Amino acid sequence: GQQVMQIPQYQHVQEGEDFTTYCNSSTTLSNIQWYKQRPGGHPVFLIQLVKSGEVKKQKRLTFQFGEAKKNSSLHITATQTTDVGTYFCCVGGGADGLTFGKGTHLIIQP
Amino acid sequence: DGGITQSPKYLFRKEGQNVTLSCEQNLNHDAMYWYRQDPGQGLRLIYYSQIVNDFQKGDIAEGYSVSREKKESFPLTVTSAQKNPTAFYLCASSIANPVYGYTFGSGTRLTVV
Repeated sequence: GQQVMQIPQYQHVQEGEDFTTYCNSSTTLSNIQWYKQRPGGHPVFLIQLVKSGEVKKQKRLTFQFGEAKKNSSLHITATQTTDVGTYFCCVGGGADGLTFGKGTHLIIQP
Repeated sequence: DGGITQSPKYLFRKEGQNVTLSCEQNLNHDAMYWYRQDPGQGLRLIYYSQIVNDFQKGDIAEGYSVSREKKESFPLTVTSAQKNPTAFYLCASSIANPVYGYTFGSGTRLTVV
């Protein structure tokens, strides 16, 4: 099945700084989904990207899908303590289920 | 409110025992999934079901079994054949074409004692 690599594995930022996590694949992806998991919680769906070069925004979060549909990024502007958690990119989601990346752990220092 | 309910929240298993984790959804979703998460790691797919009375193995099915007798229910049994069962187990559901993503339950933390 399809695999994705996420970088970085951990990211420490000061509150108010920006944060970006990247998701890369060696193959062309039909779509990509992003989830957030708070410490001790369960993953929560954020967004799905389908189109080449697609950019979607949710308040301070900006999601991009690469032109070649082999990579994606999530950017958070001016992080807040509520942004703490692990951000996962996922591929698949059809008949075979979603494959999750290993995630980026965002740690925010006040 | 619609959602997915997993029970119990915490479960302790002795060596050699089988245990069953419950997952119930009232979202009228056709598809249901079981994932395993180890500390600091991503989620790995155990089993999934697209329709009642049918299910498929995921990436790490060995030592696990499932059933899908009702649309709303997808229980997971962790058998004694699973050598390292201590983990966080997450159940999810979705519509057939999950453009709105998966909805996850709050999980069951299983510990072998």
